[in-house]
Amino acid sequence: KQEVTQIPAALSVPEGENLVLNCSFTDSAIYNLQWFRQDPGKGLTSLLLIQSSQREQTSGRLNASLDKSSGRSTLYIAASQPGDSATYLCAVTSSGGSNYKLTFGKGTLLTVNP
Amino acid sequence: DTEVTQTPKHLVMGMTNKKSLKCEQHMGHRAMYWYKQKAKKPPELMFVYSYEKLSINESVPSRFSPECPNSSLLNLHLHALQPEDSALYLCASSQLDLIARGEQYFGPGTRLTVT
Repeated sequence: KQEVTQIPAALSVPEGENLVLNCSFTDSAIYNLQWFRQDPGKGLTSLLLIQSSQREQTSGRLNASLDKSSGRSTLYIAASQPGDSATYLCAVTSSGGSNYKLTFGKGTLLTVNP
Repeated sequence: DTEVTQTPKHLVMGMTNKKSLKCEQHMGHRAMYWYKQKAKKPPELMFVYSYEKLSINESVPSRFSPECPNSSLLNLHLHALQPEDSALYLCASSQLDLIARGEQYFGPGTRLTVT
């Protein structure tokens, strides 16, 4: 059974800092890994998707890496802003028959202080 | 258009009521999902539809009844719910081809309160 762990559970940083969020998964047989952002009481916004054959993806100030063999991914946020405050969820897609099952970590609650 | 819409945004219902949640996408995705999310927890998969057929039911109680009337619509019918069913209900959709490899797009959710 796939298990996804995110460290740290919560992180508070001053504005402008670069930061790294960590995600690990137990079964390396994945199709892809997604990083999501969730604001309180809202839905999930997909930030980055890394296919199993890729090593990293970049979007603006975000960079996500994937080391499938070791079961690890990191989300790097450069020059953090108060608007980046949210919960960040990591999820891996494992094969579920003809469907794709997402397994989520419990998230990292990020607070960026002005 | 990469949008998944959900209605209503908020729903309050009594334990004897019958209500429905609606989800819609126009991205041509052939897989649609219902998730339940309790406060400060990650989303939990409830149901998966692929090609309008129910393919996964994660042992969800029968008081939740999903329906996929066509490739763009997904409903969740609710009946005789319990207060512990209060949660954020999220809908998602994805392609099923190997190239897209199942990237899921989520709607904003319906906040359900059972009184």
